[in-house]
Amino acid sequence: GAVVSQHPSRVICKSGTSVKIECRSLDFQATTMFWYRQFPKQSLMLMATSNEGSKATYEQGVEKDKFLINHASLTLSTLTVTSAHPEDSSFYICSAMVNYGYTFGSGTRLTVV
Amino acid sequence: QKEVEQNSGPLSVPEGAIASLNCTYSDRGSQSFFWYRQYSGKSPELIMFIYSNGDKEDGRFTAQLNKASQYVSLLIRDSQPSDSATYLCAVYYNNDMRFGAGTRLTVKP
Repeated sequence: GAVVSQHPSRVICKSGTSVKIECRSLDFQATTMFWYRQFPKQSLMLMATSNEGSKATYEQGVEKDKFLINHASLTLSTLTVTSAHPEDSSFYICSAMVNYGYTFGSGTRLTVV
Repeated sequence: QKEVEQNSGPLSVPEGAIASLNCTYSDRGSQSFFWYRQYSGKSPELIMFIYSNGDKEDGRFTAQLNKASQYVSLLIRDSQPSDSATYLCAVYYNNDMRFGAGTRLTVKP
């Protein structure tokens, strides 16, 4: 089946620094990828939809200048958390649409200290 | 009204029993329905999808869809402790996938 590879799986960073998370579709082309955030014991929250070659679409309340999304190729989408704060600590997951639904990356556990 | 609703649980069943997970959705034109399993600290993985009214079986899992009632369910037969996880219902409509909040299932040995 279609695989989305997400890296890193875990990252700890200092407040004020930036962190980049990568998602690659390994055996298919993903013109669209979705970025979710999930806090402990809560549901998935869609942050933004990234589209290859165009600007991402952000959900209401998500700061586009803080969460920079780039989808420069059909197989790579990146999310950069800029000027990270402890409240940005969360589980970030990307996904792509395949013909049987969404397939998810393995997730990135971000801890900002 | 939430677009996709699930009972958050926790739902607890003994090993070997049938676990029944339920989901309702608001958009009558919804086209496809999915059940994902998410273990703690992991990303969701697809268990089943269903498009048509009725039942769809895959091993110990059965998805049931009733479009008239806007209701989709997942039955897990012969529940195992390894089935303990959060189960997410997802509904696809008009190029948009919406997830329920998930039901936490615990299968006790």
